[in-house]
Amino acid sequence: KAGVTQTPRYLIKTRGQQVTLSCSPISGHRSVSWYQQTPGQGLQFLFEYFSETQRNKGNFPGRFSGRQFSNSRSEMNVSTLELGDSALYLCASSLGLAGGLNSGELFFGEGSRLTVL
Amino acid sequence: AQTVTQSQPEMSVQEAETVTLSCTYDTSESNYYLFWYKQPPSRQMILVIRQEAYKQQNATENRFSVNFQKAAKSFSLKISDSQLGDTAMYFCAFMKPLFLSAGNMLTFGGGTRLMVKP
Repeated sequence: KAGVTQTPRYLIKTRGQQVTLSCSPISGHRSVSWYQQTPGQGLQFLFEYFSETQRNKGNFPGRFSGRQFSNSRSEMNVSTLELGDSALYLCASSLGLAGGLNSGELFFGEGSRLTVL
Repeated sequence: AQTVTQSQPEMSVQEAETVTLSCTYDTSESNYYLFWYKQPPSRQMILVIRQEAYKQQNATENRFSVNFQKAAKSFSLKISDSQLGDTAMYFCAFMKPLFLSAGNMLTFGGGTRLMVKP
């Protein structure tokens, strides 16, 4: 079974630009979550999508947005990039259903490393 | 809001020895999940072990075990017979179950960098 795939793995942007990151979840998983990882703030939850609907959202400005497609693939977009947006962006997938032996277990991709200059 | 605290930013252990990583958390919920995730230098986060709060029995997975103290809100990870491949960042994480939350959301601690020395 293929794991969570994130593209691109590395990218460099300049301030003011926008960026789109992609995540393909494990087959059969309907929930996709996004996390930002920085040395200063650690791992912070951005948002979660389930069956094409945003189900949960972290405390990030509106420049951060996402969406999920009918095949459960997800994209996140950051507009008007700032230097502080430089981070590793992690995507995680899960079944997303309540109950069951594996409730809450998330499977992570390798991340997209964004550098903003 | 939930908070997760890992008080040991860095630790080291000799190969084959045992090491314990500490984690405390704060929540008003009685039902929740706790996790330890490992992030090796290659960056992919891997689930090490999972504990459901309603279960009194401590979870174990091969060389990994936890000491879950619900009243003290403590969730430590013990790694026995440490191996070089255990070198990684270890994150403690908290999640409310779906019936108490709008969706899946992990709250992470700051992490502990573990170095296993030969």
